[in-house]
Amino acid sequence: GAVVSQHPSWVICKSGTSVKIECRSLDFQATTMFWYRQFPKQSLMLMATSNEGSKATYEQGVEKDKFLINHASLTLSTLTVTSAHPEDSSFYICSARRSFGELFFGEGSRLTVL
Amino acid sequence: AQSVTQPDIHITVSEGASLELRCNYSYGATPYLFWYVQSPGQGLQLLLKYFSGDTLVQGIKGFEAEFKRSQSSFNLRKPSVHWSDAAEYFCAVGAQVGRSGGYQKVTFGTGTKLQVIP
Repeated sequence: GAVVSQHPSWVICKSGTSVKIECRSLDFQATTMFWYRQFPKQSLMLMATSNEGSKATYEQGVEKDKFLINHASLTLSTLTVTSAHPEDSSFYICSARRSFGELFFGEGSRLTVL
Repeated sequence: AQSVTQPDIHITVSEGASLELRCNYSYGATPYLFWYVQSPGQGLQLLLKYFSGDTLVQGIKGFEAEFKRSQSSFNLRKPSVHWSDAAEYFCAVGAQVGRSGGYQKVTFGTGTKLQVIP
């Protein structure tokens, strides 16, 4: 099946710094990528949908200025957590799909903010 | 807006026993339905999906699911569970977009954690 890779798989940062997480579709062009957030022992919550070359669509309650999403190419989307705080610590998962195809998920990135 | 309910937070079965994980959805049109499995600290792997056609779908690792429109359900089943099946299972529904088909937003249930005892 298709492969979606996230990097880094885990990151620890100090409060107030910014962290960038990359999501790459390795063997297909992803017209749409999705970013999810998963708290411990909870489900995945969709944060935003990004289409290549256009602005991301954020879900209600997600701060677009805090969670910057860029989908500059058909194989790469990035999520930047700006001025991170401990409450931003979470497991962030991206997914990618071809046009109207199934979703393929990355391995996830665990962010810990000290 | 669509929603998914997985009523069982945690299920324990003996190895070799049969398994059924429940999933109920709410969506106004024909849904796109999925089951994913997640091992601890890992991403999600697609087990199976239903888009249309035969309501009994076969997936990987011996799993199957049946779409029942009258009950708004998409329960996951496996006739004989293996210890390696211990993981968390998520049911999800995709909302259809426009007249050209396909789905866009995918909503996940809260998950069911499966424990397998020897």
